[in-house]
Amino acid sequence: AQSVTQPDIHITVSEGASLELRCNYSYGATPYLFWYVQSPGQGLQLLLKYFSGDTLVQGIKGFEAEFKRSQSSFNLRKPSVHWSDAAEYFCADFAGNAGNMLTFGGGTRLMVKP
Amino acid sequence: DAGVTQSPTHLIKTRGQQVTLRCSPKSGHDTVSWYQQALGQGPQFIFQYYEEEERQRGNFPDRFSGHQFPNYSSELNVNALLLGDSALYLCASSLVAATEAFFGQGTRLTVV
Repeated sequence: AQSVTQPDIHITVSEGASLELRCNYSYGATPYLFWYVQSPGQGLQLLLKYFSGDTLVQGIKGFEAEFKRSQSSFNLRKPSVHWSDAAEYFCADFAGNAGNMLTFGGGTRLMVKP
Repeated sequence: DAGVTQSPTHLIKTRGQQVTLRCSPKSGHDTVSWYQQALGQGPQFIFQYYEEEERQRGNFPDRFSGHQFPNYSSELNVNALLLGDSALYLCASSLVAATEAFFGQGTRLTVV
């Protein structure tokens, strides 16, 4: 069964500092990978997605992610964090040939220090 | 475009009761999926509906059931509620052949 792992439960960064959130997937075939953001009590907003092609994908709000097949990773990055980026971030894998369901990691809670 | 809308936003139920949650998909979408997100965890797939039929189901008991209407809206029903059913229930809509899903704001269910 496929799985998605986010090794960091909590991360705290200072405003203006760079950010990298880790994500590892286990699905064998070419994965379809996503990063979502969730503010407290809210639903999920899609930040970016990777299906194929260029391994560095750009998303909204200045986020980017890099797909590395050799490391089974899809890490999310941002060069300069803003206080409004404080939220929960979820990495997800899409199992297209297993019923179109998303498998989510456990999430990483980002806190931003002023 | 109203996006994905869910109702109610919050509700409180007693153990053993039954609950119905509702979801209206994004305009033009024909597929609805439901996810359960327990506190501090990632969302877990419950099931997906397309053409008014359950297309795929996650590892949830039969107490969880659903329905999709001709206008593509959907309901999630949970019978014999347990304390462990307390969670944020998320609805996601998409096109059947698409990989990108759009999520609603969720319904916060508390079972006491």
